[in-house]
Amino acid sequence: EVQLLESGGGLVQPGGSLRLSCAASGFTFNNYAMSWVRQASGKGLEWVSGISGSGDKTYYAASVKGRFTISRDNSKNTVYVQMSALRAEDTAVYYCAKEVGIAGGNTRGDFDYWGQGTLVTVSS
Amino acid sequence: QVVLTQSPSASASLGASVKLTCTLSSGHSSYAIAWHQQQPEKGPRYLMKLNNDGSHIKGDGIPDRFSGSSSGAERYLTISSLQSEDEADYYCQTWVTGDRVFGGGTKLTVL
Repeated sequence: EVQLLESGGGLVQPGGSLRLSCAASGFTFNNYAMSWVRQASGKGLEWVSGISGSGDKTYYAASVKGRFTISRDNSKNTVYVQMSALRAEDTAVYYCAKEVGIAGGNTRGDFDYWGQGTLVTVSS
Repeated sequence: QVVLTQSPSASASLGASVKLTCTLSSGHSSYAIAWHQQQPEKGPRYLMKLNNDGSHIKGDGIPDRFSGSSSGAERYLTISSLQSEDEADYYCQTWVTGDRVFGGGTKLTVL
């Protein structure tokens, strides 16, 4: 059974930093790309960042580029997002999502499993 | 830049069927999409991948009541024999290299 468990959320002041973790189980972790997706209260889903299975390719939404860094440790089956220079508008529930894999170790781009999310609140 | 457009809300009666729509922006009518369901206070759940020819591949454990279809730039999610637990937000999603895009979501109310 695929499981994704996010952790690391909390209250942080504007301009501060926070690192989120997502521990994965139930699949061969290094074969799949992973993403972070966020959802502000009462709003829709917003893709934040993605990383390839090997970790050699990373992608970011324009809204977080230069402030967030995604990484993964395949020995620990964990993906991270380091968030810095946080703003009030980064306040959201952050979800970890597994991407569907295709032949050759590539990613298709849709998300077939999601975590339950971790809440990040940026406020003074 | 691909954009996905969804109606903000929809409603249907218990036991009836409903068809939700996701519209791809101009020039992107060949794109595949995915449908995700988000029940209140829960994380999203993958329903299916839907191709431009209407073929679809459902996620693990998704009931036969959920089906997809396509016409031009429109992608549809049909839910038949509506149950109370189908009351949720439904998001369509597509992808290009280096980017993942969501529609604004449709809130489905089961009457």
